[in-house]
Amino acid sequence: AQSVTQPDIHITVSEGASLELRCNYSYGATPYLFWYVQSPGQGLQLLLKYFSGDTLVQGIKGFEAEFKRSQSSFNLRKPSVHWSDAAEYFCAVDGRDTGNQFYFGTGTSLTVIP
Amino acid sequence: EADIYQTPRYLVIGTGKKITLECSQTMGHDKMYWYQQDPGMELHLIHYSYGVNSTEKGDLSSESTVSRIRTEHFPLTLESARPSHTSQYLCASSEYGFRAGELFFGEGSRLTVL
Repeated sequence: AQSVTQPDIHITVSEGASLELRCNYSYGATPYLFWYVQSPGQGLQLLLKYFSGDTLVQGIKGFEAEFKRSQSSFNLRKPSVHWSDAAEYFCAVDGRDTGNQFYFGTGTSLTVIP
Repeated sequence: EADIYQTPRYLVIGTGKKITLECSQTMGHDKMYWYQQDPGMELHLIHYSYGVNSTEKGDLSSESTVSRIRTEHFPLTLESARPSHTSQYLCASSEYGFRAGELFFGEGSRLTVL
């Protein structure tokens, strides 16, 4: 069965510092992988996605993520965090063999301190 | 910006009341979803639809029901609300084909049952 693990429940970083949010997945084939961001009181917005090809994908707001098949990981990175990046971040995998149902992780809450 | 709308955004009601959460999208997407979101938990799929007159239950058992009479409209109904139904409900849609993997979310409906 597909699953997504985000081992960090909460992360605090200083503004301007680099950021890495971890995501591990369990899936039998090459998955479709996604990172979504949720600001307080809002729905989820897609940051970036990986379907195939180049394993380093670029997204909106200066985020990038790297797919590592050997580690079953899809970690999200940003070189310099801005205060507006404070939000909840969700990793997701598209279970194509189960009717396109998405499986989300439990999320990582990011706090940015001045 | 995604063109998917949920109403009401916030609702506080008493036990036993019937409620309907509305979800509409103007993108012509065939697939629509309802997720339940609680703090610190992954998003749980409660209902989905492949198109008009198609509805399926998701992974999380729910006492709610849905209908899909029109492509753009996917309302969720609780016949008799209880405090255990208190949660945030997120509606989403996606397109078939190559881009089937991307979900577009509404801003959510936060339900509180007293």
